[in-house]
Amino acid sequence: AQKVTQAQTEISVVEKEDVTLDCVYETRDTTYYLFWYKQPPSGELVFLIRRNSFDEQNEISGRYSWNFQKSTSSFNFTITASQVVDSAVYFCALSEAPGRDKIIFGKGTRLHILP
Amino acid sequence: DTGVSQDPRHKITKRGQNVTFRCDPISEHNRLYWYRQTLGQGPEFLTYFQNEAQLEKSRLLSDRFSAERPKGSFSTLEIQRTEQGDSAMYLCASSLTLGRGPNTGELFFGEGSRLTVL
Repeated sequence: AQKVTQAQTEISVVEKEDVTLDCVYETRDTTYYLFWYKQPPSGELVFLIRRNSFDEQNEISGRYSWNFQKSTSSFNFTITASQVVDSAVYFCALSEAPGRDKIIFGKGTRLHILP
Repeated sequence: DTGVSQDPRHKITKRGQNVTFRCDPISEHNRLYWYRQTLGQGPEFLTYFQNEAQLEKSRLLSDRFSAERPKGSFSTLEIQRTEQGDSAMYLCASSLTLGRGPNTGELFFGEGSRLTVL
């Protein structure tokens, strides 16, 4: 069965520090998709990134970067030079394919960026 | 584009009452999902539709729960004979996915409907 584990329940860092959020997944499929979503205090989940299992290339988007390693079943998320606005709950998620279309979420990591 | 909207945003009810939530997805999106989120947890998948067809239901969705998307546009989620354990945030999301293939598209979430069962 598919499973997403975010071992870090809560992290606090001082503004401008770098922070990495860990995500470990389990799946029996060779084709799957990984996601990160952000849930700010307002509550609405916001999509950040999607990565398919055949694309292990790391991705950078501004201050955000993602490290996908199939060998360790991990899809970690790093925020560089963190800002107070980055404070939110971050969810890693997994979708298997084909035929199983639901996206399964981890329990999330609550990130506090302290001014 | 107004995004995904959900109504009501908050509902307080007494145990045993029925409640219904409505979700209006982004207009051109063909897939619609319902998730439930409790405090400190990630969203849990409940069910999803492609157009008007309900393609999958979670085991979490007991027979007290029913979801419909009659015309392939808005959806309703009804909970009958509510229990205190049903208290949660009910999230709706939509996406545009071609064919019946896997959902590789991003989900656009609404702000949720918070249910409190007394």
